[in-house]
Parts: sequence; structure tokens; C-alpha cells
Amino acid sequence: ETGVTQTPRHLVMGMTNKKSLKCEQHLGHNAMYWYKQSAKKPLELMFVYSLEERVENNSVPSRFSPECPNSSHLFLHLHTLQPEDSALYLCASSQDPGIGNQPQHFGDGTRLSIL
Amino acid sequence: EDQVTQSPEALRLQEGESSSLNCSYTVSGLRGLFWYRQDPGKGPEFLFTLYSAGEEKEKERLKATLTKKESFLHITAPKPEDSATYLCAVPSQGGSEKLVFGKGTKLTVNP
Repeated sequence: ETGVTQTPRHLVMGMTNKKSLKCEQHLGHNAMYWYKQSAKKPLELMFVYSLEERVENNSVPSRFSPECPNSSHLFLHLHTLQPEDSALYLCASSQDPGIGNQPQHFGDGTRLSIL
Repeated sequence: EDQVTQSPEALRLQEGESSSLNCSYTVSGLRGLFWYRQDPGKGPEFLFTLYSAGEEKEKERLKATLTKKESFLHITAPKPEDSATYLCAVPSQGGSEKLVFGKGTKLTVNP
């Protein structure tokens, strides 16, 4: 496997369910990100992890809970979501944290639908 | 506040009809500008990084240029396979890891 892989690709869940999104990067990068992409809106940064430490939380509701057990894996735990949380959730990684001017490489996302 | 504006929102071209997409930004102390391509159902695919005014990068039919206030993505003699949404992003001020994205330009190239 190369690049950034995300699973599952599609997820349908009820508002009371608990589920997790998984991201794995095979690029040897040290920073990982979660983004939300909704129709007609720019990508919204949710969380940033640098060397497994959360360095940015962009005012995201507590019903989204990230976890970064090592520099290659990133999870987004979901619980008690709302219909407006339906979106494409994208994971990305970049080489060196703290520089901020390096390109981020994205996975193909998880399409999340909340019933 | 950091802002990235892309225009037009959508662009339809005939195969072979060259054109340009625009990305204007308001962030001060630019530390780089990124162009991405996104196909339906996929994540953004990195195309170019531009770091300073006057810089140009090329890849096949695409050429990206940068000035102090905006960037252009020039598409020369496009083909239907160039159809995609093109995204522009800049690092936020203050040295954070945050990228500020525009809403994108949806390009359709008809055969």
C-alpha cells in the first residue's frame, strides 16, 4: 500500500451510534490531519497531530474525538452525531511538523451519512 | 483573517480551448501556495507548490504562476480527462499547520 488510505470508504450511521474512522499513511510523514468537506464549502480543518501530539483543535464539537497512537495511524471516533455532520471526512499527512509550508497528501476520504 | 478566493466557481471548455483559473489570497507573509486536483469521490491530489512571486511550475498541460496577491492555473489545450475540481490553499499566518482552502473551480472539458 502506498500513500494515505482511509477506511471505511462509506459509512451510514444513526444519531445514537458510535463508530470510528481509520487513516493510515505509508509516506513516513510526521504530521496528520482530519478535514471535513461539505458541499459548496471549503475544506475545514478539524484536528492536527504532530509527532503523535495534538497541536490544533479547530473548535470541533466533542462528539468528534481523534486518536493518534503512532505517526502512521489516525482515528476519528464518532458518537451522537447530528444530521449536519454528514460530509466527506478526509485524512492527510505531511512530512515535517512546525514548518507549515509543505504540501499535505490526502486519502480518498470516508463518505459519512447520518440518518 | 486569512482568506482564499477562487474564480470562476465553474468553467466549461471545449477540448483544446485554453483558459486560466484564478486564486487570490489575503494572508500576509505568504509561506507557499498549493494547487490540488480533486476528482469526484476522491481526495485532493497534490499538483504544485509555489513559494515566491514570479515562480512558475509546469506539469503536462498545466502551468501554475504566482504573484504577490494571486495565483493562476493555466490549462493549455485541455482534454476531457482534465475535468476535475481544482483547489488552491495557503498556509495560515502564525506558523501553524493549518491550510486555508478556497472553494475550488469545477472544470468540465467537453470532447
